[in-house]
Amino acid sequence: GESVGLHLPTLSVQEGDNSIINCAYSNSASDYFIWYKQESGKGPQFIIDIRSNMDKRQGQRVTVLLNKTVKHLSLQIAATQPGDSAVYFCAENNQGGKLIFGQGTELSVKP
Amino acid sequence: NAGVTQTPKFQVLKTGQSMTLQCAQDMNHEYMSWYRQDPGMGLRLIHYSVGAGITDQGEVPNGYNVSRSTTEDFPLRLLSAAPSQTSVYFCASRSDRLLYNEQFFGPGTRLTVL
Repeated sequence: GESVGLHLPTLSVQEGDNSIINCAYSNSASDYFIWYKQESGKGPQFIIDIRSNMDKRQGQRVTVLLNKTVKHLSLQIAATQPGDSAVYFCAENNQGGKLIFGQGTELSVKP
Repeated sequence: NAGVTQTPKFQVLKTGQSMTLQCAQDMNHEYMSWYRQDPGMGLRLIHYSVGAGITDQGEVPNGYNVSRSTTEDFPLRLLSAAPSQTSVYFCASRSDRLLYNEQFFGPGTRLTVL
């Protein structure tokens, strides 16, 4: 069936290191992907998005990579900071406006 | 500009009780949606609306009703609460029915059904 899932439920990194959070999706027809950050007790917050006609998109300290061949999405955070500690979700659009979310990866940044 | 607001923040219900979760946005967004978030799972779409007077079902619509009488408001009704509806509920909106626009989420309502 259609699903979006993350490879690792938790990720612990040292402050200043780069973080890579991975996501697999199953629907090759998905044409839009989003990464969200969710801090404890808050709603998800948009980080970055990418359309299926791209394979890379960069923001401020974040980069999203899309590999359609293997249906894989990743979020790279450069120079990870304590404020980056949160749960990160990927989401895909596979049915005109409906977003399907993955389970989430909890990122923990050690000082 | 308050963005997306939700009330209440917390609610405890007994099985069989009914209640309405409120959601409002002041950004004149056409598209609004409701999600539930359970431990260890991502957000699952309950219902959505592409404009006033138009609603449709998402992945997990059973046990919930919605209406969209105005652009600003999108309430979610639980007609007869069940323990399986214990969850955190998020409302979201974006500027139009096209997907390629940022979706804004509210702060959530944490619901416990005893």
